[in-house]
Amino acid sequence: TQLLEQSPQFLSIQEGENLTVYCNSSSVFSSLQWYRQEPGEGPVLLVTVVTGGEVKKLKRLTFQFGDARKDSSLHITAAQTGDTGLYLCAVRRGKLIFGQGTELSVKP
Amino acid sequence: DAGVIQSPRHEVTEMGQEVTLRCKPISGHNSLFWYRQTMMRGLELLIYFNNNVPIDDSGMPEDRFSAKMPNASFSTLKIQPSEPRDSAVYFCASSFITGAPSYEQYFGPGTRLTVT
Repeated sequence: TQLLEQSPQFLSIQEGENLTVYCNSSSVFSSLQWYRQEPGEGPVLLVTVVTGGEVKKLKRLTFQFGDARKDSSLHITAAQTGDTGLYLCAVRRGKLIFGQGTELSVKP
Repeated sequence: DAGVIQSPRHEVTEMGQEVTLRCKPISGHNSLFWYRQTMMRGLELLIYFNNNVPIDDSGMPEDRFSAKMPNASFSTLKIQPSEPRDSAVYFCASSFITGAPSYEQYFGPGTRLTVT
């Protein structure tokens, strides 16, 4: 059983559409991170959320940490082709543990 | 800043051969991590070092895998003998861990290993 369940696993949309991806768990975490991995590169940290209910915005990306600190969502407004990549959530349990990721493809 | 440097970027080898992957972490970072990424299993932590000392190697698959960090600016991951199921992308990452509840890991570009 995965500690972090990410959904959907794959998502293909047209440029300009909005989308939301999810990271869920039955465990409570003190913080949660979102990374983006572009093809042929390593993951890059986008944001860290630490407070239940916290909302952080990074340009067109909105991250929310669930009130109970068990889950998180990433919403992208007006997706662009440059948003294409693998979106990973991660939590620290001694070491950093990653979800399986959501593979996003934004087509022109 | 140069970021985390990994070499080689691609490695193709035959089953049974020894493979050595190399990593130079970001200067000033005190922790280094080796990950393996596959479609089936995602991103898995193999081992991590703090101040050049191995802290958690519970993710190392078996005795065929070994990792060293002889100094703060260099680490190796060795597979001997290699097997086709070792084919994956191997990432090295580094961080400066202070004891805060969260920290950023900086990943290298990865080494794509293919064992035939």
